[in-house]
Amino acid sequence: DTGVSQNPRHKITKRGQNVTFRCDPISEHNRLYWYRQTLGQGPEFLTYFQNEAQLEKSRLLSDRFSAERPKGSFSTLEIQRTEQGDSAMYLCASSLVGRATNEKLFFGSGTQLSVL
Amino acid sequence: DAKTTQPNSMESNEEEPVHLPCNHSTISGTDYIHWYRQLPSQGPEYVIHGLTSNVNNRMASLAIAEDRKSSTLILHRATLRDAAVYYCILWDMNTGFQKLVFGTGTRLLVSP
Repeated sequence: DTGVSQNPRHKITKRGQNVTFRCDPISEHNRLYWYRQTLGQGPEFLTYFQNEAQLEKSRLLSDRFSAERPKGSFSTLEIQRTEQGDSAMYLCASSLVGRATNEKLFFGSGTQLSVL
Repeated sequence: DAKTTQPNSMESNEEEPVHLPCNHSTISGTDYIHWYRQLPSQGPEYVIHGLTSNVNNRMASLAIAEDRKSSTLILHRATLRDAAVYYCILWDMNTGFQKLVFGTGTRLLVSP
């Protein structure tokens, strides 16, 4: 068990460019979450997957954002036409849903996005 | 989403106990009390959770008031590595999908 892995750790891009982040969850975890965190704030929920199905999306997730989890394993988060307001830490988490009372989220170290 | 109230920051000395308070006066009967912490440049990590009874694990203890309107996370001997932002979160895990909602947490400073 190597934990949740996110790549890249840092991404600097120019406004208007597209960026894609990858998340590799803990193997056999069936839920995968994306959160966004800005300085001084707690993480904000963006979306989550149960296996390959995207089941909920926050209103924070504009049309420029798209997330996939094609085979129920790794996930990608793409931001099109980036804006300076997209600068944030993007966090991925995974969990194993079975006995609900034991659900814990395991977070990766995040991808820090800076839009210039 | 059920709300929690935490102090913005607290300070402690190394090797002393730390009591981090959390108020949740609107807690519902099915809300579990979860604590996560976030070390600098890391994602949050699970600390502990409970429903009604006090809970202990290798990281911390969770003391829950009898009326469940408040709780306290107890670090028995703070170390420098415990300096982090601690989030108290109410999470109803038994009513369909409920996302984990973070507030701004308590920033714990630990001095040598």
